[in-house]
Amino acid sequence: AQTVTQSQPEMSVQEAETVTLSCTYDTSESDYYLFWYKQPPSRQMILVIRQEAYKQQNATENRFSVNFQKAAKSFSLKISDSQLGDAAMYFCAQGGDGQGAQKLVFGQGTRLTINP
Amino acid sequence: GAVVSQHPSRVICKSGTSVKIECRSLDFQATTMFWYRQFPKQSLMLMATSNEGSKATYEQGVEKDKFLINHASLTLSTLTVTSAHPEDSSFYICSAQPVAGTYEQYFGPGTRLTVT
Repeated sequence: AQTVTQSQPEMSVQEAETVTLSCTYDTSESDYYLFWYKQPPSRQMILVIRQEAYKQQNATENRFSVNFQKAAKSFSLKISDSQLGDAAMYFCAQGGDGQGAQKLVFGQGTRLTINP
Repeated sequence: GAVVSQHPSRVICKSGTSVKIECRSLDFQATTMFWYRQFPKQSLMLMATSNEGSKATYEQGVEKDKFLINHASLTLSTLTVTSAHPEDSSFYICSAQPVAGTYEQYFGPGTRLTVT
């Protein structure tokens, strides 16, 4: 069964600094998708970034980038120039179980605090 | 683009009554929609996967007769909590997938259900 693990329940960073959130996953599939979602206090889930496993190049979206290490099954999120609006719960998720199910498996989440 | 609405945002009902939650994809068609439940300070727990025109696929441990899901069109899915009890009080979130096979999901803003 697929599992996604976020080993950091909480992280904090100074405004304008860089922070990296960790995520590891376990799958026997070679083709799958990985995502980072953000859930601010409003509780609206927002897609931050996605990565297709067959692509070697790390995905980047403005201040957000990932470090995708397929062999190590690691998918960390780097937030550069942290802003107060980045404060939220961040969830790592994996899709693709090889059996056709379209669902995502989510990690436990990391609460990110931005210190002004 | 990729906006998902959810209605109502908050609902209070009495024990024993039923409540319906609607999930709509506003600017895209979604062959697959998902329903989640989220407990305080926890990750999302998938309840069921809903495909347009067919029966929903429920996750293990989710009561089908209690949580009725209908996916009548490519833009609308509903979750009905039947004979609600206080333990059903929770935050319910829906999501919609615009393109099959990409696993990418866009989320509604959630519904806070309180059963008294």
